[in-house]
Amino acid sequence: GAVVSQHPSRVICKSGTSVKIECRSLDFQATTMFWYRQFPKQSLMLMATSNEGSKATYEQGVEKDKFLINHASLTLSTLTVTSAHPEDSSFYICSFTGAGNEQYFGPGTRLTVT
Amino acid sequence: KNEVEQSPQNLTAQEGEFITINCSYSVGISALHWLQQHPGGGIVSLFMLSSGKKKHGRLIATINIQEKHSSLHITASHPRDSAVYICAVSPGGGADGLTFGKGTHLIIQP
Repeated sequence: GAVVSQHPSRVICKSGTSVKIECRSLDFQATTMFWYRQFPKQSLMLMATSNEGSKATYEQGVEKDKFLINHASLTLSTLTVTSAHPEDSSFYICSFTGAGNEQYFGPGTRLTVT
Repeated sequence: KNEVEQSPQNLTAQEGEFITINCSYSVGISALHWLQQHPGGGIVSLFMLSSGKKKHGRLIATINIQEKHSSLHITASHPRDSAVYICAVSPGGGADGLTFGKGTHLIIQP
């Protein structure tokens, strides 16, 4: 199956700083990728849909100016958390859809904002 | 918005037992996914279903579209099956993100 990598796997940053998370599909070209987050003991929630070469589509309640998504190529999407605050501490995970609509997930990034 | 409900939330069983995890959803879907999440957070896709039944090794997944219900079964359970099992639905194909259930935390004791 397709392989998805995410970097970094874990990051601790100070409040007010920005953090960039990269999601790469290693052996598949993906026109659409998804970004999810998971707060402790809660279900995964879709944040945004990232389309290669166009603007991302954000879910209700997700601030597009705070969570910047760039899907510049068919193998790379980035999520930048700008001016991070402790309430942004979460597990962020990307996925993309394969040719048969199957889902391939990255290993996730655990963000802690102090 | 689709509501995805899973039961049970937590399940502890002895090695060798037959395990069933249930999932129901409120709105019609194009596909249902069963996922496995390990303690570190990584997610593995187990099944994608739009109808009927699929089997992979000791895992079996079924779906009843009319009743909006799916089950995941594990036969001859083993401690290495311990994980969180998540049901997720896709409303309309690969262009739409998933809506997830809260997961079932499964512990298989030796």
